[in-house]
Amino acid sequence: DAGVIQSPRHEVTEMGQEVTLRCKPISGHDYLFWYRQTMMRGLELLIYFNNNVPIDDSGMPEDRFSAKMPNASFSTLKIQPSEPRDSAVYFCASSPDRGLGNTEAFFGQGTRLTVV
Amino acid sequence: AQSVTQLGSHVSVSEGALVLLRCNYSSSVPPYLFWYVQYPNQGLQLLLKYTTGATLVKGINGFEAEFKKSETSFHLTKPSAHMSDAAEYFCAVTLQSPGGETSGSRLTFGEGTQLTVNP
Repeated sequence: DAGVIQSPRHEVTEMGQEVTLRCKPISGHDYLFWYRQTMMRGLELLIYFNNNVPIDDSGMPEDRFSAKMPNASFSTLKIQPSEPRDSAVYFCASSPDRGLGNTEAFFGQGTRLTVV
Repeated sequence: AQSVTQLGSHVSVSEGALVLLRCNYSSSVPPYLFWYVQYPNQGLQLLLKYTTGATLVKGINGFEAEFKKSETSFHLTKPSAHMSDAAEYFCAVTLQSPGGETSGSRLTFGEGTQLTVNP
């Protein structure tokens, strides 16, 4: 299994531009999570999906952020327009549903976003 | 709501010395507890987890952790540090639903502890 695949690994963009981050979860995993990691705030859960349906997006910072999961093998996190304070490492993770919350999350290698 | 506190954002040990990374949690229901490790420019990797059963849990790379309900702690230890252990370590918690139904894997992470191993 190739694990969780994120693209791109690095993204540098100008303020005001649209940024799209992509994630391919592990096949068969029912849960997909988007996290943001910064020095100031650590790891923050932005949104998570169960069977392609968004369950909790309370961590999405602003309306500039949106996430979709059109099918079980693909998700996107979009920022439009981007701002310098969005600079961070964005992680995608997936997890199987074994019931009772007794599961672990498998993380991708992250996308390092720099907004200048 | 659950929360996790890691005591010490930076820990430095000598190679061969004991590693102790502290984690305390707050939860009103039985938690599931995890330790993840993050190497530079990498994603997080699971070290070990506690769900039910034996409270002393062994993980990869010689790490282990003990769930102590009375102390609401889940400290991570390794008897002898190796240079390759230098990384950031995250404690995380997710909750068992009271009714036993599926609750998903919504992890809450601690702030992380950066481990430095000196030669």
